[in-house]
Amino acid sequence: DADVTQTPRNRITKTGKRIMLECSQTKGHDRMYWYRQDPGLGLQLIYYSFDVKDINKGEISDGYSVSRQAQAKFSLSLESAIPNQTALYFCATSDLKGTLNQPQHFGDGTRLSIL
Amino acid sequence: RKEVEQDPGPFNVPEGATVAFNCTYSNSASQSFFWYRQDCRKEPKLLMSVYSSGNEDGRFTAQLNRASQYISLLIRDSKLSDSATYLCAVNTQGDSSYKLIFGSGTRLLVRP
Repeated sequence: DADVTQTPRNRITKTGKRIMLECSQTKGHDRMYWYRQDPGLGLQLIYYSFDVKDINKGEISDGYSVSRQAQAKFSLSLESAIPNQTALYFCATSDLKGTLNQPQHFGDGTRLSIL
Repeated sequence: RKEVEQDPGPFNVPEGATVAFNCTYSNSASQSFFWYRQDCRKEPKLLMSVYSSGNEDGRFTAQLNRASQYISLLIRDSKLSDSATYLCAVNTQGDSSYKLIFGSGTRLLVRP
């Protein structure tokens, strides 16, 4: 089983719909992240959470919200989807060990298309 | 200037060639560095961390040049299976947030 699981893997929906992307992890990591990836733009951080009570905006948080339901679960919501939110979305986790040398580990991604 | 920059490529090399990519970063306070590999439409996968003294993992060598603020990835004896996009990532304790900033990636094509 994957350590970082995203659902759904693919979603096509219409403008104005509310969408929730879910991420769960079995790695026991405290830190979780949501990114979007567009061709040629690399990974852009949407939100991140360092523990259940900690939520932080990333560089492109407008139009998105998140919920950290438990250490292992971090969901991303698009309250009213718009076409320019069509992208590949990744969840990632990293450990907290008091140092910076902790890489992030990614889920398989969710391909979201908004018509 | 972007915080982390990479040449997008593509680098088109024959099998067996040696190829190197650089990644420059703007924040001199950056403290940890990584190389990821991403196949088309797949998730980034950690290739290797980059240590101050440089490190090697099989055909892959990573180096850090703090004075010039860049990291490099060298791939020796390229294989067809090395074709992918290589992302660098830099962790900066700017505001104690410990965020990874990713480059946009360098695409490598290894031809027969």
